[in-house]
Amino acid sequence: QVQLVESGGGVVQPGRSLRLSCAASGFTFSSYGMHWVRQAPGKGLEWVAVIWYDGSNKYYADSVKGRFTISRDNSKNTLYLQMNSLRAEDTAVYYCARDIRLMVRGVITYYFDYWGQGTLVTVSS
Amino acid sequence: SYELTQPPSVSVSPGQTASITCSGDKLGDKYACWYQQKPGQSPVLVIYQDSKRPSGIPERFSGSNSGNTATLTISGTQAMDEADYYCQAWDSTHVVFGGGTKLTVL
Repeated sequence: QVQLVESGGGVVQPGRSLRLSCAASGFTFSSYGMHWVRQAPGKGLEWVAVIWYDGSNKYYADSVKGRFTISRDNSKNTLYLQMNSLRAEDTAVYYCARDIRLMVRGVITYYFDYWGQGTLVTVSS
Repeated sequence: SYELTQPPSVSVSPGQTASITCSGDKLGDKYACWYQQKPGQSPVLVIYQDSKRPSGIPERFSGSNSGNTATLTISGTQAMDEADYYCQAWDSTHVVFGGGTKLTVL
């Protein structure tokens, strides 16, 4: 069965760095685009970044562009999120998610069919 | 940047029909999907491609999308449906989520 397991969260001081990992199993990892989505305490879902199945394209939310880097190692079935220059507002549960991206009648349909359990990142001095 | 707007809360009596809206500029020209999230849990996909249900999602969940509004409808709402619901769409290079709607089953 499909499993996504995040790790690497914790407490970090403002301005410091942290790297999250997402270990995937139960499917052909190299065939799927992967995302990071976060949720601040008591708040809604916020999309963070996407990486294409082969790593050829990466896109970021404006709130993290230039500070966060998404990457993947298809030989290790693992997704990463390198987070630099962390701010208090980056405090959140970070989920990795697998995407389904299809062209239907000329329009892209895009959704997440599997999510990990999340890892909590707390940015605090 | 593209935005999706949802009502913060919706209330429904058990057995009745709940409707949750999601508004965005020409949203009907895109495909929308919906996630259910219960406290302490990861989101679960309940509707994709406007109106399709993933395997295992009850038939009481349905969706539509036209004009500027996508709608998630839950018929015969049950207590177990009480949760936060998020709409989502894709805009050129970004995933966009609505702000979420808390569904209360009174």
